[in-house]
This record gives sequence, C-alpha cells and structure tokens, in this order.
Amino acid sequence: QKEVEQNSGPLSVPEGAIASLNCTYSDRGSQSFFWYRQYSGKSPELIMSIYSNGDKEDGRFTAQLNKASQYVSLLIRDSQPSDSATYLCAVNLNTNAGKSTFGDGTTLTVKP
Amino acid sequence: ETGVTQSPTHLIKTRGQQVTLRCSSQSGHNTVSWYQQALGQGPQFIFQYYREEENGRGNFPPRFSGLQFPNYSSELNVNALELDDSALYLCASSLTERYGYTFGSGTRLTVV
Repeated sequence: QKEVEQNSGPLSVPEGAIASLNCTYSDRGSQSFFWYRQYSGKSPELIMSIYSNGDKEDGRFTAQLNKASQYVSLLIRDSQPSDSATYLCAVNLNTNAGKSTFGDGTTLTVKP
Repeated sequence: ETGVTQSPTHLIKTRGQQVTLRCSSQSGHNTVSWYQQALGQGPQFIFQYYREEENGRGNFPPRFSGLQFPNYSSELNVNALELDDSALYLCASSLTERYGYTFGSGTRLTVV
C-alpha cells in the first residue's frame, strides 16, 4: 500500500461542473497537506495547503481535510478547460521525517 | 524576487556516465529538496539540504549525491547512470516545508 494514494483517473467533467479529487494517506500523525497542479510537460505548482480538519476555500478551490479518516480532498467549482491538468496530493509524513510525499496524481480533463 | 531556476533543461547521457544538475533556490529559501518524477508517477523524494547539510534522504542509492552551497544553491550528482534514471528531476525550495514547496521547471534527463 502506498503512503499517499490518489484515484488514478482520468477524471473528466464538463465545463462549469464541480470536480472532486480525493487522496488518502497512511500516517495518522501527519500535519501538513498540499495540493499541487501540474500541467503537461511542466513542473508542479502549489495551489492549496491545509493543516486543520475542515474546509479551506480559495477562490474556486476548496480543500477538505479529515484526519480521523486520513483523507484529504480538493473540490474545483465552476471547472474551466484551463483547469485540465494533473493534480498531485502531497502529505508531510512523520514516517518520512516530515518531508513531502506525493501521490501519483489524478489527471483532470474539463470538456468545453 | 526570483523563483527557482534549474539547469540544464534537457540532457541526454549514456549509461554508465555521470551527470550534475544544478538549482538556484528562491530568494530567502534556505531549504532545497530534490525529487525524481518518472512518467505517469508522482515526484519521489531523493534528498533535502538545509543550510549546507543533508537533512533527510529517500530510498535512493548512494550514487545519488548532492551539495548545497552557502548561497543555498544546490547540485544533484548521479554516478553510473542507468536507463531507469531517465526522468524529470525537480528541485524545490522552501523556507520551511510546513508551507509547501516552490518547484523549478525541472531537468529532463534521458539515459540511452
């Protein structure tokens, strides 16, 4: 079992819909959680960080964290074709000395 | 404020050769982490440097080594290249990993 797991996708949603991306992690003691966006052929870009249980909103993006269930998600409202990318979940695992461990990403396609 | 810069952008090497990749961290960031990203996978942690000292290492063999300089720039050296070393090598800088990383544009290494 991987330490950080994401649905491999691909995930396809129509323009204007809500895209939901999910991630689970193995280390219950983890404290810092991130979502990165990676366009094809580019490097990852940090779009959201979350540290406490609950929701954190930033524009069209909402990160949700449930430490009891070891689950973190990213919702993208009013999805746009420009949101089409691979979304990487990263967790600072205590088992990795607090360094960020990444999932393999979920590829999102937003169709006009 | 400059971002993270990596050089070269692309590199082709022959199996058995050695390679050095370079990274200049974002201004004010004293921590540099290196990741390897194979096609279709998430970034895998190689090692991290903090104030010129190695501060954590992932599951990579000793032929992967690094340095950090007083200006916080960094090098990744790989000896005895293998075909499986072909990947995108990402440098990420941070002030503290609690707040996530800023990635460079990466070096695409191809070993033939």
